[in-house]
Amino acid sequence: QKEVEQDPGPLSVPEGAIVSLNCTYSNSAFQYFMWYRQYSRKGPELLMYTYSSGNKEDGRFTAQVDKSSKYISLFIRDSQPSDSATYLCAMRAPGSSASKIIFGSGTRLSIRP
Amino acid sequence: AAGVIQSPRHLIKEKRETATLKCYPIPRHDTVYWYQQGPGQDPQFLISFYEKMQSDKGSIPDRFSAQQFSDYHSELNMSSLELGDSALYFCASTALRDRASYEQYFGPGTRLTVT
Repeated sequence: QKEVEQDPGPLSVPEGAIVSLNCTYSNSAFQYFMWYRQYSRKGPELLMYTYSSGNKEDGRFTAQVDKSSKYISLFIRDSQPSDSATYLCAMRAPGSSASKIIFGSGTRLSIRP
Repeated sequence: AAGVIQSPRHLIKEKRETATLKCYPIPRHDTVYWYQQGPGQDPQFLISFYEKMQSDKGSIPDRFSAQQFSDYHSELNMSSLELGDSALYFCASTALRDRASYEQYFGPGTRLTVT
């Protein structure tokens, strides 16, 4: 079983819809949570990061962390065709300062015009 | 804003050859990470360096080695290349010394094709 589980999709929604992307994790020692967006053949682009449980909002994006349930979410409001990409959740592994981050498998999202 | 720079962007090598990938972190970032991403897969961690010292090690084959130089750029050296080494190789950087921030910023990647 992977330490970070993410539904690979694909997920297809109409333009303007609210999108909910989710990940679960098994290691309660994970402390730093990130969401990346990756377009085909491009590097992952950092969208959101958060340290604690609760919500963090940035424009149309809201990241939500529930440490008690080991569950994180990314919400996209007023989705646009340009949001079509693969979304990867990621978490910092416990250990040294320069510890790796562990990715979910990514969810492929398609926004239909 | 300046981003992580990787070179070359594309590289084609034959089996058993050697390849060197370079990474230039965001200015004032002191930590670099290397990841390998196969087709349809999530990035897999290879190795990381903080202040020019190896910090964490993942699933990096013994045929690969890496180092971080005094200007904080890093190089990933890959020898005896195999067909299975064909992948996207990403470098990421962060600034640990000044801000203790853990979010990693990724470069555009080097696409390595081994024939």
